[in-house]
Amino acid sequence: DAGVIQSPRHEVTEMGQEVTLRCKPISGHDYLFWYRQTMMRGLELLIYFNNNVPIDDSGMPEDRFSAKMPNASFSTLKIQPSEPRDSAVYFCASSLARDRTSNNEQFFGPGTRLTVL
Amino acid sequence: AQKITQTQPGMFVQEKEAVTLDCTYDTSDPSYGLFWYKQPSSGEMIFLIYQGSYDQQNATEGRYSLNFQKARKSANLVISASQLGDSAMYFCAMREGGQNFVFGPGTRLSVLP
Repeated sequence: DAGVIQSPRHEVTEMGQEVTLRCKPISGHDYLFWYRQTMMRGLELLIYFNNNVPIDDSGMPEDRFSAKMPNASFSTLKIQPSEPRDSAVYFCASSLARDRTSNNEQFFGPGTRLTVL
Repeated sequence: AQKITQTQPGMFVQEKEAVTLDCTYDTSDPSYGLFWYKQPSSGEMIFLIYQGSYDQQNATEGRYSLNFQKARKSANLVISASQLGDSAMYFCAMREGGQNFVFGPGTRLSVLP
């Protein structure tokens, strides 16, 4: 299995531009998560999906952020317009649905390092 | 209130010695899971070990063990026989209720030769 795939690995853009981050979860996983990691705020959950349906988007910082999962093998996180404070590493992770007492570890992608100038 | 607390921003340990990384959590849900992840300088997140709230025994995975004290709501990670490659950030995380994960702020471990 190739694991969780994210693209691009690095993105440099100018303030005001639209940015789209992409994620392919592990085949068969029911859950997909988007995280943002910064030095100041650590690892923050932005949104997660179950069977392609957004379950909790309370971590999405602003209306400038949106996420979609059109099918079980693809998700996008879009920032429009981007701002310098959006600079961070964005991780996508996926997991299987198991009962609440079982190990359902999240498998993380390599992350996308976003720099907004 | 913080759901996951890791009180040690940084730790040093001599190579081949054991080290304990602290983690305390806060939940009123009787069913939850606790996880430890390692993030080396290369940036990837690597799953290390899992402990379920109903597990009777402490989890172990190779050189990693989890000292689970349910009444104290602590889930400390113990790394035995530290290696230089163990130098990394270590995150404690909790899943409660649904599939939502909460991560702690992390502890940076440095293994000294």
